[in-house]
Amino acid sequence: TQLLEQSPQFLSIQEGENLTVYCNSSSVFSSLQWYRQEPGEGPVLLVTVVTGGEVKKLKRLTFQFGDARKDSSLHITAAQPGDTGLYLCAGGSGGSNYKLTFGKGTLLTVNP
Amino acid sequence: NAGVTQTPKFRVLKTGQSMTLLCAQDMNHEYMYWYRQDPGMGLRLIHYSVGEGTTAKGEVPDGYNVSRLKKQNFLLGLESAAPSQTSVYFCASSRNRGRNSPLHFGNGTRLTVT
Repeated sequence: TQLLEQSPQFLSIQEGENLTVYCNSSSVFSSLQWYRQEPGEGPVLLVTVVTGGEVKKLKRLTFQFGDARKDSSLHITAAQPGDTGLYLCAGGSGGSNYKLTFGKGTLLTVNP
Repeated sequence: NAGVTQTPKFRVLKTGQSMTLLCAQDMNHEYMYWYRQDPGMGLRLIHYSVGEGTTAKGEVPDGYNVSRLKKQNFLLGLESAAPSQTSVYFCASSRNRGRNSPLHFGNGTRLTVT
């Protein structure tokens, strides 16, 4: 069974601070997706990374896929209250029998 | 563009009652999924469908049934609800099944079984 561990589980910071959340596994994934879920809504895809060492930027958000494709990180610069939400990582594996495994998420609160 | 629409948004059932959750997508996606989300457990796949007329079991299928009679609709049924099925249920769809086909989620149905 493939597991994705996300840390920290909860994070509360002030507006303007920087933060990093992590997504780790002992398994290799062919891709890693990050979703953000706001209260009362479904998860929305932020980014997909597919190459070991890959870095993608989305405005103030920077995503990195580990060299061995077993882990990923999400860094937010100058956090804003609108960044508040549950951040989920999901690892993809398998070819014809593709499977997506979700982590339990990091709940981020950015206080004004 | 509505995307993925789930009905109802909230429901309270008594133990033993039955109900059906409806999911509709307007993106012409082949794949559809039902997940449940519980505190501390993350998203767990209940059932999924790879196309009209097909269904398959996910990680936690017991106590649930599904049907995909039309491509755009995916129904989740609970024949005899139990308190352990209290959860938030999310439907999702994707064009294909792979790393280039992200999931599009609905906004969830919050089910309470008393």
